[in-house]
Amino acid sequence: EADIYQTPRYLVIGTGKKITLECSQTMGHDKMYWYQQDPGMELHLIHYSYGVNSTEKGDLSSESTVSRIRTEHFPLTLESARPSHTSQYLCASSEYGGKSSYEQYFGPGTRLTVT
Amino acid sequence: GDSVTQMEGPVTLSEEAFLTINCTYTATGYPSLFWYVQYPGEGLQLLLKATKADDKGSNKGFEATYRKETTSFHLEKGSVQVSDSAVYFCALRLEYNFNKFYFGSGTKLNVKP
Repeated sequence: EADIYQTPRYLVIGTGKKITLECSQTMGHDKMYWYQQDPGMELHLIHYSYGVNSTEKGDLSSESTVSRIRTEHFPLTLESARPSHTSQYLCASSEYGGKSSYEQYFGPGTRLTVT
Repeated sequence: GDSVTQMEGPVTLSEEAFLTINCTYTATGYPSLFWYVQYPGEGLQLLLKATKADDKGSNKGFEATYRKETTSFHLEKGSVQVSDSAVYFCALRLEYNFNKFYFGSGTKLNVKP
């Protein structure tokens, strides 16, 4: 069973607040990802990391930032939350390497509501 | 470019009906193919996978066969249950850029008792 955790599971916060969504995995995976999931269920990659001190922006432009100081930890930060940031945020990880069958493992998600 | 296309939902079936959710892909080489399932309020869980042409992935009564000739990976189940109600995502991982995943837009399945 995959061990990837996200906190908080639900967050309601006012406009302009700074927030950090936490993601941790205990599988030793090098690659980690953040997805934003819209109400229509489609997943949009917003950030990914190949390993410690490596972060890249994904396919969907996002005002959030990420950091990767430890292998197991990949937090996402919004400096000033806006109602347009209201969404479900999913963290995932996978092994890094040449085996193409390596799947992504997902956390349970954080549902963010900005009022 | 590389992509995954799956049938739009929602799909509504009665319990014990046969399920097919279509998935086709565009990719160079031989990607690995996956089906994920997302239950309400949860993250995605891997349902099954196939890594080469003609492979059949199976789990919990669900099956999908990797068809290179039609670039398809359709999900099937012979008899659905109410507990199968969820959103299903088809995904691929490229052969040559194996750290890149592409997800379909998801298909919501509603199973009525």
